[in-house]
Amino acid sequence: DQQVKQNSPSLSVQEGRISILNCDYTNSMFDYFLWYKKYPAEGPTFLISISSIKDKNEDGRFTVFLNKSAKHLSLHIVPSQPGDSAVYFCPLPNNDMRFGAGTRLTV
Amino acid sequence: NAGVTQTPKFQVLKTGQSMTLQCAQDMNHEYMSWYRQDPGMGLRLIHYSVGAGITDQGEVPNGYNVSRSTTEDFPLRLLSAAPSQTSVYFCASSSLDRGQRYNEQFFGPGTRLTVL
Repeated sequence: DQQVKQNSPSLSVQEGRISILNCDYTNSMFDYFLWYKKYPAEGPTFLISISSIKDKNEDGRFTVFLNKSAKHLSLHIVPSQPGDSAVYFCPLPNNDMRFGAGTRLTV
Repeated sequence: NAGVTQTPKFQVLKTGQSMTLQCAQDMNHEYMSWYRQDPGMGLRLIHYSVGAGITDQGEVPNGYNVSRSTTEDFPLRLLSAAPSQTSVYFCASSSLDRGQRYNEQFFGPGTRLTVL
């Protein structure tokens, strides 16, 4: 059974510091991995992706790291801003895309 | 483009009532899905569809029916509402272009449903 786990339900970071959000996969046989962000009372929005053949992808303040051997995905936000306060998800990119509980970031 | 639209935005039902949550997209996306969001549970997939005439169950399909008669519309039906179905419901869509690296899902604004 393919699963994704975000072991930290919440994270609090001071403005200007780095935020690190983590995901662990039980099966890493995907071509890409995704991060979504969700504000209260809104639907999730796509944030950043990474191809499985890469170990890093940057987009402005957001960088995603992929460690395939460890089946571990992380999102770094530097510097963190109050507007980054949201719930972050790393869903499995299947047809039945499952989001899980996510990690609530408070800046 | 309006993107993904959902109606109504808010709804209050009594136990046992039925209703249909509407979802429409104007991006010609093959894939559409329904999620519910509950405190501490995150987003859970109810049903999804990879094209007109094709639907499949997600994580929590019980109590919900769907159909996909057109590419644009993917209504979610509650046949006999229960208090456990009180939630915020999100509809989403994406393309299924195999040539793309990934298929970003676009979400609607949500429907907040309360079942008394």
